[in-house]
Amino acid sequence: GQSLEQPSEVTAVEGAIVQINCTYQTSGFYGLSWYQQHDGGAPTFLSYNALDGLEETGRFSSFLSRSDSYGYLLLQELQMKDSASYFCATGAGSYQLTFGKGTKLSVIP
Amino acid sequence: SQTIHQWPATLVQPVGSPLSLECTVEGTSNPNLYWYRQAAGRGLQLLFYSVGIGQISSEVPQNLSASRPQDRQFILSSKKLLLSDSGFYLCAWSVGRGTDTQYFGPGTRLTVL
Repeated sequence: GQSLEQPSEVTAVEGAIVQINCTYQTSGFYGLSWYQQHDGGAPTFLSYNALDGLEETGRFSSFLSRSDSYGYLLLQELQMKDSASYFCATGAGSYQLTFGKGTKLSVIP
Repeated sequence: SQTIHQWPATLVQPVGSPLSLECTVEGTSNPNLYWYRQAAGRGLQLLFYSVGIGQISSEVPQNLSASRPQDRQFILSSKKLLLSDSGFYLCAWSVGRGTDTQYFGPGTRLTVL
């Protein structure tokens, strides 16, 4: 089976940089994805890493180290609208995704 | 472009009443379809997924059921709701196998009283 661990809450200051970590244990691994969910809203896909290294998409970057079973989401130039929950997930090559329990990011002025 | 619809957006139902939530996808063929439930402040629990018409896989035994009568239609049902069925129900779709990209509908917030 799959399990993913991520911190439950993170607080950061507007304009700063924050990193949300995710460690995983899987019986098979293809890649790690990240989703954002605002309060009351649906999750939206942010990024996917199949290979080691950093993937950058605007202010958001995602990193994967397969040898360490570890990844992180990096948010730069934080804005108040980035306050949301962030989930890491992995599919292990199947049809299903297993999600972490989510990290609630609070951006403060 | 692809669009996913869910309705209703909110629902308040008494214990013991039936349930039917519908999800439809537009702009794609042969999607994989998923039903998730999310309790307040919690993670996503996969309830059912379907890779084709009439093909349903259940992840969690419970008093819910799912059906896929058409390629782009996915229905979540219950004959008798329990208090514990309250939550945020999300439908999602993806294409292919081994893809980690799923696209979620707006969700239905169900309160069972």
